[in-house]
Amino acid sequence: AQTVTQSQPEMSVQEAETVTLSCTYDTSENNYYLFWYKQPPSRQMILVIRQEAYKQQNATENRFSVNFQKAAKSFSLKISDSQLGDTAMYFCAFASIQGAQKLVFGQGTRLTINP
Amino acid sequence: DVKVTQSSRYLVKRTGEKVFLECVQDMDHENMFWYRQDPGLGLRLIYFSYDVKMKEKGDIPEGYSVSREKKERFSLILESASTNQTSMYLCASRESFRSGANVLTFGAGSRLTVL
Repeated sequence: AQTVTQSQPEMSVQEAETVTLSCTYDTSENNYYLFWYKQPPSRQMILVIRQEAYKQQNATENRFSVNFQKAAKSFSLKISDSQLGDTAMYFCAFASIQGAQKLVFGQGTRLTINP
Repeated sequence: DVKVTQSSRYLVKRTGEKVFLECVQDMDHENMFWYRQDPGLGLRLIYFSYDVKMKEKGDIPEGYSVSREKKERFSLILESASTNQTSMYLCASRESFRSGANVLTFGAGSRLTVL
């Protein structure tokens, strides 16, 4: 079974700084999807960014980018020029392209952006 | 704007009560999911449904059942609530696992306390 590990339960940075959240996963599959979801305080979970494993190029969405290291099974999220609105729980998730494509989530990282 | 609506944001129930958590989506999505979110454990899949009247167990189905009589509605049922079911419950939907999009849309969550 696939597993996803986020080793940083909490992080805190100053506004405008760059922060990197770590995620590792375990799978024997060659093709799959990886995601970062964001859950702001008392608000709904939303997708931040998605990466397909067969694509070597790292995904980017405005200030959010990933460092996808397939051989190392690592999928970190970099937030540049952090803003107060980036304060949230961040979850890394894995989905196989086989079968039901259920998402497996990591434990989450609570990120606080300080003014 | 697409929506996943969970009927109750906060519930308090007594041990042994039967509890219904309702989820409705307005996107004509085939797949629907129930997750449980606990600190330090991330999101864990309870049940999911490919389509109407179809359901499959997730990773932690014990003590839960589900119902999907209509495409837009997916209900989570706790037959006899116990204190260890105190948690945040998240409903999500997805267009279809065949679509390749694999992006979940989440509801706001239902925080259940069992006394």
